[in-house]
Amino acid sequence: QKEVEQDPGPLSVPEGAIVSLNCTYSNSAFQYFMWYRQYSRKGPELLMYTYSSGNKEDGRFTAQVDKSSKYISLFIRDSQPSDSATYLCALNAPTDSWGKLQFGAGTQVVVTP
Amino acid sequence: NAGVMQNPRHLVRRRGQEARLRCSPMKGHSHVYWYRQLPEEGLKFMVYLQKENIIDESGMPKERFSAEFPKEGPSILRIQQVVRGDSAAYFCASSPYTSQETQYFGPGTRLLVL
Repeated sequence: QKEVEQDPGPLSVPEGAIVSLNCTYSNSAFQYFMWYRQYSRKGPELLMYTYSSGNKEDGRFTAQVDKSSKYISLFIRDSQPSDSATYLCALNAPTDSWGKLQFGAGTQVVVTP
Repeated sequence: NAGVMQNPRHLVRRRGQEARLRCSPMKGHSHVYWYRQLPEEGLKFMVYLQKENIIDESGMPKERFSAEFPKEGPSILRIQQVVRGDSAAYFCASSPYTSQETQYFGPGTRLLVL
């Protein structure tokens, strides 16, 4: 079993819809949670970072963490075609070296005009 | 301020040759991380370095792979005697200090082993 599970998609939504992405994890040592966006043939770009259970909002993006269920989510409101990309969750456990990120496999999102 | 730079962007090697991948961190950053991305998979941590020190190499294959980050110059990921299974995208990231949330990634080097 992988430490971080993420549905690879593709997830296709119409423009303006809410995109809902999630990851599950098995190791309760993970305490820091990030979401990255990766366009084709590019490096990952940090979108959201959180370390506590609950919601964190930044513009059209909301990150949600439920440590009791070992479940994290990313919501994108009012989706745009430019949001079409692969979204990767990344987790860090303090028991690992700081900065060692464990990534999910990524979910490919396609927003159709 | 230039971002993280990696070169070459594309590298083709025949089996048995050596591959050298370079990463220049953002200005002022002294921490470098290397990740590998295989097709249809997420990024896998390989190694974390500070200037002249390897902090965590728990993700590095035991043989053929090595990394360095000298006092001057870029960080180098070196793969000796490449095999087809080494074909992947290799990304480096840098941060100004030990940090989970401020790793800035480069565009990656795509290695193809024939």
